Amino acid sequence: NAGVTQTPKFRVLKTGQSMTLLCAQDMNHEYMYWYRQDPGMGLRLIHYSVGEGTTAKGEVPDGYNVSRLKKQNFLLGLESAAPSQTSVYFCASSPGTTSDTIYFGEGSWLTVV
Amino acid sequence: DQQVKQNSPSLSVQEGRISILNCDYTNSMFDYFLWYKKYPAEGPTFLISISSIKDKNEDGRFTVFLNKSAKHLSLHIVPSQPGDSAVYFCAARDPWNNNDMRFGAGTRLTVKP
Repeated sequence: NAGVTQTPKFRVLKTGQSMTLLCAQDMNHEYMYWYRQDPGMGLRLIHYSVGEGTTAKGEVPDGYNVSRLKKQNFLLGLESAAPSQTSVYFCASSPGTTSDTIYFGEGSWLTVV
Repeated sequence: DQQVKQNSPSLSVQEGRISILNCDYTNSMFDYFLWYKKYPAEGPTFLISISSIKDKNEDGRFTVFLNKSAKHLSLHIVPSQPGDSAVYFCAARDPWNNNDMRFGAGTRLTVKP
């Protein structure tokens, strides 16, 4: 039972490099999210999507872009990585507005040097 | 602007005793509150929730209490077990902002045998 799968799990980037984090869910969920977790800050929402082809900004969207071309996939892009983007990134999904539960992936550890 | 706050970064209790984790919020429009549990190197998993129209919800050893007038909720774990050792995140849903889920910074619970 895969649930929410993130790739890659670990990545080290140099400042200015670009990369894409891939999230896939097999639960046919409408909503998908990208969060980042930093010490003392909890989980902060970067971007989210309420359905295929839609995206919206969350609490901390600057420096990131997202795409939801297929319902099951949600991509998070860093166009020009900065050390401030060193964090643990979590993808999540939920059935929709009536759901009270978000299902998380295992996380992706990103270090920007 | 942290709308959900967990002011205790850590808590240590003896096995068999009660664990009480606290959470405060500032947005009176939040309509649903959740607790998530996170083990190291894993994504958060849903634990228990409560609607804003209730003041208590119980599930086995876990009980969540909501005090709307004080904008405060708490998670009680009785009896505490070593396997409960994890980071606990409080979260609140904002129905006026696309059901945006706001998380607290987390409390690390250690249950000693």
